[in-house]
Amino acid sequence: EPEVTQTPSHQVTQMGQEVILRCVPISNHLYFYWYRQILGQKVEFLVSFYNNEISEKSEIFDDQFSVERPDGSNFTLKIRSTKLEDSAMYFCASSDGLAGTDTQYFGPGTRLTVL
Amino acid sequence: AQSVTQLGSHVSVSEGALVLLRCNYSSSVPPYLFWYVQYPNQGLQLLLKYTTGATLVKGINGFEAEFKKSETSFHLTKPSAHMSDAAEYFCAVSRINNAGNMLTFGGGTRLMVKP
Repeated sequence: EPEVTQTPSHQVTQMGQEVILRCVPISNHLYFYWYRQILGQKVEFLVSFYNNEISEKSEIFDDQFSVERPDGSNFTLKIRSTKLEDSAMYFCASSDGLAGTDTQYFGPGTRLTVL
Repeated sequence: AQSVTQLGSHVSVSEGALVLLRCNYSSSVPPYLFWYVQYPNQGLQLLLKYTTGATLVKGINGFEAEFKKSETSFHLTKPSAHMSDAAEYFCAVSRINNAGNMLTFGGGTRLMVKP
């Protein structure tokens, strides 16, 4: 069964460093998402992406965040200058539609630790 | 704005007992509702979803949920718990319109199954 994959599973970085989290969505999906979950808190929407542009973003997704589909298979989340509060589990998801009824398929997550 | 509340961050049941995980939502319009499960070191996997039509929705692994508009609830049940059901369960709501497919999650409920 097709699945969303994410690398790395765990990333440790120093405050102020740039990190890139990588995702390979399901191959025939056209819509891509990033969510995050700070330890002990809810899973929160960050951004959705379609046709090489951001469809929607939350207020969390500020100028230090960016997303990109650099090739036909990868979808990346970049954090330009990490802060301690960026430590969280980051989930990538993909769907084949953008309607509220369409199922989003999630990857296993990348745990980001900022020291 | 939409929100989701899951009562009980931890639920413990005995193997063979009824599983009941509670979810209440707040939405200004009829919602689309989802239950996801997360097993250790894996991504969020869709259990079931309610969009329109029959209010009792059956999902994978013997789980079902009933949409009750009057109670703004979407509780998840399984008649007989199995050890393999131990996981974290997330209730989520999606938008009704097609402006985007942002999921709003509840805080999650960790289900423990005792032998």
